[in-house]
Amino acid sequence: EAGVVQSPRYKIIEKKQPVAFWCNPISGHNTLYWYLQNLGQGPELLIRYENEEAVDDSQLPKDRFSAERLKGVDSTLKIQPAELGDSAVYLCASSFGTGDTGELFFGEGSRLTVL
Amino acid sequence: AQSVTQLGSHVSVSEGALVLLRCNYSSSVPPYLFWYVQYPNQGLQLLLKYTTGATLVKGINGFEAEFKKSETSFHLTKPSAHMSDAAEYFCAVRNYGQNFVFGPGTRLSVLP
Repeated sequence: EAGVVQSPRYKIIEKKQPVAFWCNPISGHNTLYWYLQNLGQGPELLIRYENEEAVDDSQLPKDRFSAERLKGVDSTLKIQPAELGDSAVYLCASSFGTGDTGELFFGEGSRLTVL
Repeated sequence: AQSVTQLGSHVSVSEGALVLLRCNYSSSVPPYLFWYVQYPNQGLQLLLKYTTGATLVKGINGFEAEFKKSETSFHLTKPSAHMSDAAEYFCAVRNYGQNFVFGPGTRLSVLP
């Protein structure tokens, strides 16, 4: 069974440029998460989707970050414009749902460097 | 709000020595508890989890953890460290229907 797939793995951009990250969750997983992981820190939730609905986006900086999950499968996280402080790893994770005791399954992450 | 503390941002042990990584959580209701491992440039991988039942949980790679409600702890142990155990370890908690909350992580170094 394929795991959570993310792309690109690495991205280097100049500040003020846009960037987008893509995530394909495990088949059948209704819940999808985007996390931000700064160097030496634990993941911090940006947004959680239940199917195609964003049920928790309270930590998403909406002035520059946006996300979508079309048809309740793949998801895209966009930053426009990027700032130096956005340099981090963006992790996507999926699970069967928030109502069970299941764990999160993570992708390998997308490492963003903003110059 | 839930919080997770991991005592020691960096732990070093000798190969073959006991590994002990500490995790404490704040919650008025016993949560579900997880330990994840992250190798360099990779995502997080589940080591083990506690949901209900036996408080001593065994995971992959010889790791185990014990849920102690009275101490609000879920420490991770392994009797004998191996070089391949060098990685970042994250404790996470989750209440039913809520989001996961991750600790800051502990970097484990294994010395030859």
